[in-house]
Amino acid sequence: AQSVTQLGSHVSVSEGALVLLRCNYSSSVPPYLFWYVQYPNQGLQLLLKYTSAATLVKGINGFEAEFKKSETSFHLTKPSAHMSDAAEYFCAVTKPGGGNKLTFGTGTQLKVEL
Amino acid sequence: EPEVTQTPSHQVTQMGQEVILRCVPISNHLYFYWYRQILGQKVEFLVSFYNNEISEKSEIFDDQFSVERPDGSNFTLKIRSTKLEDSAMYFCASSEGGGLNIQYFGAGTRLSVL
Repeated sequence: AQSVTQLGSHVSVSEGALVLLRCNYSSSVPPYLFWYVQYPNQGLQLLLKYTSAATLVKGINGFEAEFKKSETSFHLTKPSAHMSDAAEYFCAVTKPGGGNKLTFGTGTQLKVEL
Repeated sequence: EPEVTQTPSHQVTQMGQEVILRCVPISNHLYFYWYRQILGQKVEFLVSFYNNEISEKSEIFDDQFSVERPDGSNFTLKIRSTKLEDSAMYFCASSEGGGLNIQYFGAGTRLSVL
C-alpha cells in the first residue's frame, strides 16, 4: 500500500524566505507523486506532479519539488515566499496502473509573515 | 475556467437521517470521485466512478454509502443513515481520463451530523 507522511502540520516563514514543505512516501512500486494546495473555502488545486520523468518537477506559482528515491522524499520548495502562498498544502501518492485513487498526507498549513 | 461545483457548502443533519451531497463535475470529464476529510485528519478516498459504475471503493465506503449519476451532469453521494462519525468535509473530484489525468476538486461540502 502507498502512503505519504508530511512532517510539520504548521510551517511559518517570513515573506521572501525559502519555503520547504516535507513529504516522504512509502510505496512497494515506483510511485506517482503530487502536491495539491488548498486556499480557504476552495477546493484542492494541483501544484505539480511527478510521473517518473524528470526528478525535478516545476509547478505553478514558482513551486518545485524533487523526487529523491534514495531518501523516499518529494519535498516542495519555493525560493521566495509571498503572502499569497499562505494555504494548506497536501502531498499525495498513487500507484501507476493501480487505479486513480489518491492517498493524501495530513497536510501542512503554511503561514507567511511580514 | 471550468470547475467542479458542490452543493450545499454546509449541510447539517440529525443522526439517522439520509443526506445527499451533490456535485457537478467538469462537463467533458468521465471519471468521478468522492473523498472526505474528518477534521484534523487526512483527506481519504471514498469511491471512484466511471462508465456508470463504481470502479474502486475504499473500506470506508460501506453499505450506507451510494453514488449515482442521475442525469448526465450531476454526481451524488448518498449517506443512508448518518452517524456522528460521518461529520466531515466531503470533496468531489473529476478527471478527463484515468491514470495520471489531473483530478480537479470542488470546494467541498461540510457535513455536520448532530
